[in-house]
Amino acid sequence: EAQVTQNPRYLITVTGKKLTVTCSQNMNHEYMSWYRQDPGLGLRQIYYSMNVEVTDKGDVPEGYKVSRKEKRNFPLILESPSPNQTSLYFCASHETEYTEAFFGQGTRLTVV
Amino acid sequence: SQQGEEDPQALSIQEGENATMNCSYKTSINNLQWYRQNSGRGLVHLILIRSNEREKHSGRLRVTLDTSKKSSSLLITASRAADTASYFCAISEGNTGKLIFGQGTTLQVKP
Repeated sequence: EAQVTQNPRYLITVTGKKLTVTCSQNMNHEYMSWYRQDPGLGLRQIYYSMNVEVTDKGDVPEGYKVSRKEKRNFPLILESPSPNQTSLYFCASHETEYTEAFFGQGTRLTVV
Repeated sequence: SQQGEEDPQALSIQEGENATMNCSYKTSINNLQWYRQNSGRGLVHLILIRSNEREKHSGRLRVTLDTSKKSSSLLITASRAADTASYFCAISEGNTGKLIFGQGTTLQVKP
């Protein structure tokens, strides 16, 4: 089954404690992205990747890092989480820049 | 950046009725996509319409695109309680695969 898998689904952490949210897709897609969804602000892109070792900033990259060492994986790293990073995070992949995106189930992160 | 704006923000209808949601945007697009999100869950792709297309159908869904007015509409016919969800339009821009999402329309279909 074609899917994008994120882990964990839920996470509560403390300010400053580094964390990684994993994302993996099994569709051999070139493009992968991270979005965060906040009430009243909709979905905003954090980072994206067009291929292995090719990543770039989206609209709200501050406080986040990503890496793309393998085609299937695109982890999101929060080196020093802060409460304003409390949000619902989605990983997405798509075959080309012009095709539909497949989304993971989301990671609800709370930073206290 | 150009954000899709959706209208209405919320819509409540009876089962069997049609639901129409509108999306407007500001600049040129590659395509426009519609997604559904059930409460707190991942987004599911519904339909993609290219900039050179005017109308597209998929089951009970009908999407129109008017590039001169920079607007699109999603029509769900013969709605069901299971259609209750939030619906988002997303604009594909440039060559990065970036999607710019509207704020969404929350649809409630009452049995």
